[in-house]
Amino acid sequence: GQQLNQSPQSMFIQEGEDVSMNCTSSSIFNTWLWYKQDPGEGPVLLIALYKAGELTSNGRLTAQFGITRKDSFLNISASIPSDVGIYFCAGQLYTSNTGKLIFGQGTTLQVKP
Amino acid sequence: GAGVSQSPSNKVTEKGKDVELRCDPISGHTALYWYRQSLGQGLEFLIYFQGNSAPDKSGLPSDRFSAERTGGSVSTLTIQRTQQEDSAVYLCASSYLKGSYSPLHFGNGTRLTVT
Repeated sequence: GQQLNQSPQSMFIQEGEDVSMNCTSSSIFNTWLWYKQDPGEGPVLLIALYKAGELTSNGRLTAQFGITRKDSFLNISASIPSDVGIYFCAGQLYTSNTGKLIFGQGTTLQVKP
Repeated sequence: GAGVSQSPSNKVTEKGKDVELRCDPISGHTALYWYRQSLGQGLEFLIYFQGNSAPDKSGLPSDRFSAERTGGSVSTLTIQRTQQEDSAVYLCASSYLKGSYSPLHFGNGTRLTVT
């Protein structure tokens, strides 16, 4: 089946540092989304991207929808301890009309105070 | 209003037993999804319901898995004759499918452990 390759798998950084993670695929996507999951909870939407080339910010978070529609990145600036969690990229294939999302494997972020 | 509600939050069962997992979507959301998350893995699509349309069951891993959605609201995921590899967190999500896309809102999941 279709896959999203998300990297890095995990990151351990110092508080205040910037973070970057990305997702790539061999398939074309209509929509890219970034979710964060805290322990024992479901994923929560951070940013949604709907157009190729779109760059969107949400506070310290910035994400972009690649112009080829096959990739996306998420940047977190000036990390803080509450940024700890698992970050997932997710995409809706251009062939899909159901809203079904394909998820990456996740990036586990740890922040050292 | 309330978010997506799932019950139970945790379920421990013996191998070979049947289990039922419940999902109450956000009121007014027309689409409902089940995903499975194994330890350290991403989310694996299982099944999708949209209104009165036939569900998309393409992600169900075997015929031991089934799901239904009654009255366009509450959904139940049933796993028959559970196996240890079924142990995972089962996540339900709902969305208001309007136009091309509406983001999914997830519940906190049911953690299933098969002993």
